[in-house]
Amino acid sequence: AQSVTQPDIHITVSEGASLELRCNYSYGATPYLFWYVQSPGQGLQLLLKYFSGDTLVQGIKGFEAEFKRSQSSFNLRKPSVHWSDAAEYFCAVGPSGGSYIPTFGRGTSLIVHP
Amino acid sequence: GAGVSQSPRYKVAKRGQDVALRCDPISGHVSLFWYQQALGQGPEFLTYFQNEAQLDKSGLPSDRFFAERPEGSVSTLKIQRTQQEDSAVYLCASSRDSQYEQYFGPGTRLTVT
Repeated sequence: AQSVTQPDIHITVSEGASLELRCNYSYGATPYLFWYVQSPGQGLQLLLKYFSGDTLVQGIKGFEAEFKRSQSSFNLRKPSVHWSDAAEYFCAVGPSGGSYIPTFGRGTSLIVHP
Repeated sequence: GAGVSQSPRYKVAKRGQDVALRCDPISGHVSLFWYQQALGQGPEFLTYFQNEAQLDKSGLPSDRFFAERPEGSVSTLKIQRTQQEDSAVYLCASSRDSQYEQYFGPGTRLTVT
């Protein structure tokens, strides 16, 4: 069965600092991978996704993520964090080949200090 | 166009009451998903529709949970005889087809007292 681990429950950074949120997955083949962001009281918004091809994926709001098969990781990065980035971030993995049910990690809460 | 909408946004129910949660997907989206998100957790899959057909309900936690999408558009998640453990945010998502890129609604926060 597929699974996702987000080892950091909370991350605190200063505004303007760089950010890396960790995501490790377990799946037997090449997965589909996603990062979502959830602001308080809001639904999830897709930041970026990896299906195949280039392992460095660019997303919205200046985020990027790199798929590393050897490490079973899909870490999310941003070079300079803005206060508005404070939110909950979820990594998700879905099986490839037509199945549709993603498995979400428990989330990482990002706190941004001014 | 408009995004996924859900109503009500907040619902308080006394234990034992029945509740109905509504989801309006993006127009033209074939696939519709329901998730349950407990406090401090990621969303967990409940059920999936393609048009009006419920193709997967493996995530529904008990037979008190029922979902329908009779005309292939609006969907309703019904919970009968609510229990305290049903307290969660219920998220609806739709997609153009079943191949991911899901668009989420704001969720309904259900509190069972």
